[in-house]
Amino acid sequence: DAGVTQSPTHLIKTRGQQVTLRCSPKSGHDTVSWYQQALGQGPQFIFQYYEEEERQRGNFPDRFSGHQFPNYSSELNVNALLLGDSALYLCASSSTGDSNQPQHFGDGTRLSIL
Amino acid sequence: AQSVTQLGSHVSVSEGALVLLRCNYSSSVPPYLFWYVQYPNQGLQLLLKYTSAATLVKGINGFEAEFKKSETSFHLTKPSAHMSDAAEYFCAVTPHPGGYNKLIFGAGTRLAVHP
Repeated sequence: DAGVTQSPTHLIKTRGQQVTLRCSPKSGHDTVSWYQQALGQGPQFIFQYYEEEERQRGNFPDRFSGHQFPNYSSELNVNALLLGDSALYLCASSSTGDSNQPQHFGDGTRLSIL
Repeated sequence: AQSVTQLGSHVSVSEGALVLLRCNYSSSVPPYLFWYVQYPNQGLQLLLKYTSAATLVKGINGFEAEFKKSETSFHLTKPSAHMSDAAEYFCAVTPHPGGYNKLIFGAGTRLAVHP
């Protein structure tokens, strides 16, 4: 049973560029959340997708956007990249209908902005 | 609003010694609390969770945590540290137990275990 998978594992971009990160949830999960983890800090919630719609959003600018597909996989898009966007981006999946199960995390995508 | 404070960004123990990682939370509703571990270049792995059942929660790898409402604490302990326990540990809180709601994380505590 595959867990949460994220791609790519590493990415290098320059300021002003755009980036797309991808996430496939654990089998049986229908909800995907994205977190940003800056170096030396705890993860911060970006947003959550359920039924192909953004259900919750953290304190991140509109440059951060996402999408969820009918197969529950998700993308995180970041436009006009800033140096401060350098971080580990974590995807977590869960099942909205199962309140006893916690979120399961992928290994993340490390994004470096030059 | 909910928040988590982890006291001590770095903790160092000897192999075989007690591990104590501190977590205090702030919540206006009954909280659900979690401890996650992160090994280098990996994502987060759930150690244990508190969801309003027993206040003493046992997790994987010999870790346990006790929910103390009067102290708003959820400290993580392990009786005897092993070299493989060296990692970053995060305490997190959410108002709901399942996957619906966002997790709010503390800043993390890096645990070093020396021979």
